Amino acid sequence: GAVVSQHPSRVICKSGTSVKIECRSLDFQATTMFWYRQFPKQSLMLMATSNEGSKATYEQGVEKDKFLINHASLTLSTLTVTSAHPEDSSFYICSAPGLAGNTQYFGPGTRLTVL
Amino acid sequence: GQQLNQSPQSMFIQEGEDVSMNCTSSSIFNTWLWYKQDPGEGPVLLIALYKAGELTSNGRLTAQFGITRKDSFLNISASIPSDVGIYFCAGQLRVNRDDKIIFGKGTRLHILP
Repeated sequence: GAVVSQHPSRVICKSGTSVKIECRSLDFQATTMFWYRQFPKQSLMLMATSNEGSKATYEQGVEKDKFLINHASLTLSTLTVTSAHPEDSSFYICSAPGLAGNTQYFGPGTRLTVL
Repeated sequence: GQQLNQSPQSMFIQEGEDVSMNCTSSSIFNTWLWYKQDPGEGPVLLIALYKAGELTSNGRLTAQFGITRKDSFLNISASIPSDVGIYFCAGQLRVNRDDKIIFGKGTRLHILP
């Protein structure tokens, strides 16, 4: 199946700093990628849809100025958590659709801890 | 909005037992996906279902796309310790010309020693 990577896998930062998370499709191109957030023992919550060459689409309740998304190329989307606070601590996962568009492949996730 | 009801929330079984979990919804889906997530990792796709009534196997795993397109089940036969984890169902549907994926809340599988 298609491979999606994320970097970093784990990040610890101080409150008030910004953190960038990268999501790459390794062996295929993705005009669309998705960013999810997952709290402990809960399901995945879709935050936003990243669109190559255009603005991201955010889900209701997700602050676009807080969670900046850039889909710079057909294989790379980045999520920047700006002015991070402890409540932003979570597991962030990206996904990309397979070639046919009807399957989602997930990255390994990024564990963000804000002190 | 669209919701998926996944059950059971958790299961405690003996090694070697068969497992069954399902997802239901009031919405009609185009695709059903089943994922397994291990702690600290991203979900891994187990089975993808694209047609109503489709029954697909992947080793000891079998999943079916319900005829009404509103439900799906996943069965695991002869469970082994590495089956422990969280299983998510996901349904894909089209909302305003965008493909949207909705996730169930997960089924936690525990295997008793």
